Amino acid sequence: SSELTQDPAVSVALGQTVRITCQGDSLRSYYASWYQQKPGQAPVLVIYGKNNRPSGIPDRFSGSSSGNTASLTITGAQAEDEADYYCNSRDSSGNLFGGGTKLTVL
Amino acid sequence: QVQLVQSGAEVKKPGASVKVSCKASGYTFTSYGISWVRQAPGQGLEWMGWISAYNGNTNYAQKLQGRVTMTTDTSTSTAYMELRSLRSDDTAVYYCARDEGTAMVKDYWGQGTLVTVSS
Repeated sequence: SSELTQDPAVSVALGQTVRITCQGDSLRSYYASWYQQKPGQAPVLVIYGKNNRPSGIPDRFSGSSSGNTASLTITGAQAEDEADYYCNSRDSSGNLFGGGTKLTVL
Repeated sequence: QVQLVQSGAEVKKPGASVKVSCKASGYTFTSYGISWVRQAPGQGLEWMGWISAYNGNTNYAQKLQGRVTMTTDTSTSTAYMELRSLRSDDTAVYYCARDEGTAMVKDYWGQGTLVTVSS
């Protein structure tokens, strides 16, 4: 069955740039969307489509895609960006989430 | 503003059923789909399935086929998710999310409903 693979944990120094990646065959056909989840809260959409941000999401968040890999980049990470990040895409049978990446801002 | 408000926490015994509601407001309910997503304690997000609020078409995750039913009531702009034959590993927070377009971008989420399965 299809799956989306993410690194379990990534860290970044305050103010630096970090890239979170997501790999899977479905990404050759569908764009990923990215969700930020803080403890005890519902996920929040941060990036969708080719590289679109919902209203209210800071422009330090951006997305890209190449082949079977989608990436979420945070340029100038802030303390409030510390959270779990999940990628998500359609696939041939429905919908998939990656396993999530825990981002620590040092 | 778009809001999805879910029903309250539930405690169920193994083998029982649970039905969670998700009341939508602030948009035309029948113009979007609703996905249900769950998260077991300390675990990641798991997509459970999708329902079109327009015509009631559904698509369920294979592992839940036969145990889950998703429905909508367009008169009250409410979506429902029923899960039967509950097991301890169904203990999770259950979320509804509005699906935007064919890419199924989940642009708004409910607050989550904790379902605890315990004898």
